[in-house]
Amino acid sequence: GAVVSQHPSWVICKSGTSVKIECRSLDFQATTMFWYRQFPKQSLMLMATSNEGSKATYEQGVEKDKFLINHASLTLSTLTVTSAHPEDSSFYICSAKAGGAETQYFGPGTRLLVL
Amino acid sequence: GDSVTQMEGPVTLSEEAFLTINCTYTATGYPSLFWYVQYPGEGLQLLLKATKADDKGSNKGFEATYRKETTSFHLEKGSVQVSDSAVYFCALRQTQGGSEKLVFGKGTKLTVNP
Repeated sequence: GAVVSQHPSWVICKSGTSVKIECRSLDFQATTMFWYRQFPKQSLMLMATSNEGSKATYEQGVEKDKFLINHASLTLSTLTVTSAHPEDSSFYICSAKAGGAETQYFGPGTRLLVL
Repeated sequence: GDSVTQMEGPVTLSEEAFLTINCTYTATGYPSLFWYVQYPGEGLQLLLKATKADDKGSNKGFEATYRKETTSFHLEKGSVQVSDSAVYFCALRQTQGGSEKLVFGKGTKLTVNP
């Protein structure tokens, strides 16, 4: 099946710094990538949807200047958490979908801890 | 808005026991319904899906039937194995204006003991 990777798998950073998380589709071209956030014992919440070569569409309540998303190629999307604060600590998960396909393929997630 | 409610875990069963994880949804229209599974240390994987009422999705011995009248999509397996230990997520797909969105339940952790 299709494989999606994320890097890093976990990261610890100081408050005020920025953190970049990569999401790669390893064996297919992902025209659409999705970024989710998961709090402990909560469901995955969609943060934004990005299509290759265009600006991301953010869900209501998600700060686009805080969570910068870039989908510059058909195999790579990045999420940058700018000026991270402890409340940004969470589990971030990406998924990718090929054009016209129905199924999203999920990465293993990145755990972010902001001190 | 659309939402998914699934039974809270954790669920602990002995090997070969019968499994049911309840899932109900609230949605406008008739969304596609999914069960995803997340094994320890891995990403979510699609387990099964159903796209219209009365459809039955099945995979790896798991089944779920799209019940429009009860807005449910309960996951069942007749005989669980230790390797089924994972977190299971029920989800619906919402489409609007050319865009799509998966709405997830909170997940149910299943532990199967030998």
